[in-house]
Amino acid sequence: QVQLMQSGAEVKKPGASVTVSCKASGYRSTTYGVSWVRQAPGQGLEWMGWISTYSGNTHSAQRFQGRITLTRDTSTSTVYMQLRSLRSDDSAVYYCATDLDCSGPRCSDSWGQGTLVTVS
Amino acid sequence: EIVLTQSPATLSLSPGDRATLSCRASQSVITYLAWYQQKPGQAPRLLIHDTSNRATGIPDRFRGSGSGTDFTLTISSLEPEDFALYYCQQRSSWPPTYTFGQGTRLDIK
Repeated sequence: QVQLMQSGAEVKKPGASVTVSCKASGYRSTTYGVSWVRQAPGQGLEWMGWISTYSGNTHSAQRFQGRITLTRDTSTSTVYMQLRSLRSDDSAVYYCATDLDCSGPRCSDSWGQGTLVTVS
Repeated sequence: EIVLTQSPATLSLSPGDRATLSCRASQSVITYLAWYQQKPGQAPRLLIHDTSNRATGIPDRFRGSGSGTDFTLTISSLEPEDFALYYCQQRSSWPPTYTFGQGTRLDIK
């Protein structure tokens, strides 16, 4: 069973950058995509971007382009999300989530436990 | 950019009732429409992918349907653990772009 373990909570000042990590274990495939999704307090889910762990190709939502960098370290099965020029409205829980995995009888995806980022 | 609009915003029902949640897309969704359930303090849980396929471990009281721009999640007989937030999600194949609806809160009446 795939597990995603994210780094711990962060408190940052406005204008600073934050990097959140997401380490995968138990994944049968060595190639998969990982998305980053955030959720501000009391708000809905917002997709931020996607990275291929195989190629390193990325794509991000237009509203984050220029502020977000997604990278991966294949040796440790870890992906990273860096968000720069933080504002108070970037305060949210940030999740990593894998693409759909249909290697079993049914498909599933996996989500990290979430990382709370507070900008204050 | 595709916009997903979910309705109703809140649905108040009782255990044993049938729940019908709607997700409308601003343009035709060809590739991927999914439904997620989220409970307080937890990550979202995939229920349905590709419009109508139940994910691993999802009971058959959850059913997804629809095509084009109109999609529905039906819960045939609500269990106490089904009261939660529900989101629809679409994915464009390339470049990979995901969009979530704003959510429907399913409350106990």
